[in-house]
Amino acid sequence: GQNIDQPTEMTATEGAIVQINCTYQTSGFNGLFWYQQHAGEAPTFLSYNVLDGLEEKGRFSSFLSRSKGYSYLLLKELQMKDSASYLCAVPRGGSYIPTFGRGTSLIVHP
Amino acid sequence: GAVVSQHPSRVICKSGTSVKIECRSLDFQATTMFWYRQFPKKSLMLMATSNEGSKATYEQGVEKDKFLINHASLTLSTLTVTSAHPEDSSFYICSASVRTGELFFGEGSRLTVL
Repeated sequence: GQNIDQPTEMTATEGAIVQINCTYQTSGFNGLFWYQQHAGEAPTFLSYNVLDGLEEKGRFSSFLSRSKGYSYLLLKELQMKDSASYLCAVPRGGSYIPTFGRGTSLIVHP
Repeated sequence: GAVVSQHPSRVICKSGTSVKIECRSLDFQATTMFWYRQFPKKSLMLMATSNEGSKATYEQGVEKDKFLINHASLTLSTLTVTSAHPEDSSFYICSASVRTGELFFGEGSRLTVL
């Protein structure tokens, strides 16, 4: 089977740094995705990691450790607009059909 | 990036009626599209995988006769909620993959069944 676990909710202060963790169990790893979803809207793609290490993209970075079944999304210089749900997604083993975690609701306050 | 358009964005219908939701890939051909359902503050739950020119593959627990999926062309997939009931009220989202695994989502359709 497949299992993805991430915290339900996190809060942070504007301008700060926040790390959202995701642990997963899957067979036949085909990469890990992070998506951002604002309330009432569809998700938008943030990052894709298939190799171990850190991928940096502007204020957002994503890290992957395949041996530990672990990833995190790092958000720097937080802005109010970063308040959203962040979804970790892992394709099912042997396919490219992603299964989503429950999402982490990030609340950024002044 | 690739653009996926979903219509309608909001629909309200009476219990017992059917509702059709369209999902179009605007600037690419999508041989495979995915239909998700999302309840408030919950994650995306895959309902079915829509394959162009063949029958959709439904996830366990999803009623095929209630959620009809048609993928008649490389740019259009439709989801029809038949004989809708209040418990079918939800946010339905379609998506298509252009590269390995990366999904581009439609805007979503919020269905309210009275």
